[in-house]
Amino acid sequence: GAGVSQSPSNKVTEKGKDVELRCDPISGHTALYWYRQRLGQGLEFLIYFQGNSAPDKSGLPSDRFSAERTGESVSTLTIQRTQQEDSAVYLCASSPGPENNEQFFGPGTRLTVL
Amino acid sequence: DAKTTQPNSMESNEEEPVHLPCNHSTISGTDYIHWYRQLPSQGPEYVIHGLTSNVNNRMASLAIAEDRKSSTLILHRATLRDAAVYYCILSTPWAKAAGNKLTFGGGTRVLVKP
Repeated sequence: GAGVSQSPSNKVTEKGKDVELRCDPISGHTALYWYRQRLGQGLEFLIYFQGNSAPDKSGLPSDRFSAERTGESVSTLTIQRTQQEDSAVYLCASSPGPENNEQFFGPGTRLTVL
Repeated sequence: DAKTTQPNSMESNEEEPVHLPCNHSTISGTDYIHWYRQLPSQGPEYVIHGLTSNVNNRMASLAIAEDRKSSTLILHRATLRDAAVYYCILSTPWAKAAGNKLTFGGGTRVLVKP
């Protein structure tokens, strides 16, 4: 079946511009996570959705970062006024629900801020 | 979150077993031990998880020390496709308000030689 998909796969933008990154989770998965991975480093948690609510936003690095989710489907991560330090791969993962420990990751969006 | 310690890298020969250690001396009684791996230019992939007992699946085995302060991921016969960064992660049980966010450290880079 279809896995987690993300778009675009690559995004190059200029400093100060806004960007939107999209995640399509596996159908039926109620939990959705966003992570960020800087070059050569491990993943950093950004935000967690259960359905369309976000009980844990503790990883968002600043108020320039926001995310929303429509029902139990698509999620969008928005970065406003991008900075060079925002350059990273942004990864989305989904999970069936509360009893499942396994997260299914998408391929990521590579964001480059010039 | 409790921290894990892994070696930076390990080398193995193809078709030989690989034993990847992980120390987690500050693990709490309810933390699960997860292993994910990340192949080059891909999102992480779930490998295995456990709580107290050793676990086996089609990909690997997880051996957990009796005091739970360390664990070992065992790849029984390494293939070239197993070359990846392997992450040992602790997470608290899923709770609706907190999700099951994963905190990734640096991981162990596994090189498999033909």
